[in-house]
Amino acid sequence: QSALTQPRSVSGSPGQSVTISCTGTSSDVGGYNYVSWYQQHPGKAPKLMIYDVNKRPSGVPDRFSGSKSGNTASLTISGLQTEDEADYYCCSYAGTYIWVFGEGTKLTVL
Amino acid sequence: EVQLLESGGGLVQPGGSLRLSCAASGFTFSNYAMSWVRQAPGKGLEWVSAIGGGGGSIHYADSVKGRFTISRDNSKNTLCLQMNSLRAEDTAVYYCAKTLYGGVDYWGQGTLVTVSS
Repeated sequence: QSALTQPRSVSGSPGQSVTISCTGTSSDVGGYNYVSWYQQHPGKAPKLMIYDVNKRPSGVPDRFSGSKSGNTASLTISGLQTEDEADYYCCSYAGTYIWVFGEGTKLTVL
Repeated sequence: EVQLLESGGGLVQPGGSLRLSCAASGFTFSNYAMSWVRQAPGKGLEWVSAIGGGGGSIHYADSVKGRFTISRDNSKNTLCLQMNSLRAEDTAVYYCAKTLYGGVDYWGQGTLVTVSS
């Protein structure tokens, strides 16, 4: 149950696009189409942004999109806005009611 | 509206025990798996344990296996986490989470557990 690998930090200017990667193994990310992404602002509970690799819950802007290739999943945020500055975590199902989170990525909007 | 309300956090000495509860409302509780996810101060999210809707499927992270016990009472829409033999590294905010295979769609506000002498 090792944590999924994410970059520690990414940054971008308002209006630009950024992509956050999430690398696991064939036992988690590569083995299931059950990758999710969460946004967390300081002192707040996480918020679901993407589920099932590329689906957006109601209310999440279409600026947020997800994809997966092999053992690596990605979250892309286009048209960056200042309110997107937050920590982002990926998560993957790993079988038999086990989930594993990524290490987290701090997004800075310059 | 889905609501998850945790309670039971607090300060406990190393080696002590604590029982967390989560009161759920706004959805058919027995139809969904539930999880506990924790976040140590300044650190990332860590999945702790999950239980199936009927209570028959249960799994734990290696870090808590043998010390923590997850349970649910579908008649009371309540999820619990019994934590024994607590260690300093168990200090964290503990979140109750409505869980789908594809992700956690609802989170509670969290309850802080501090293990310290």
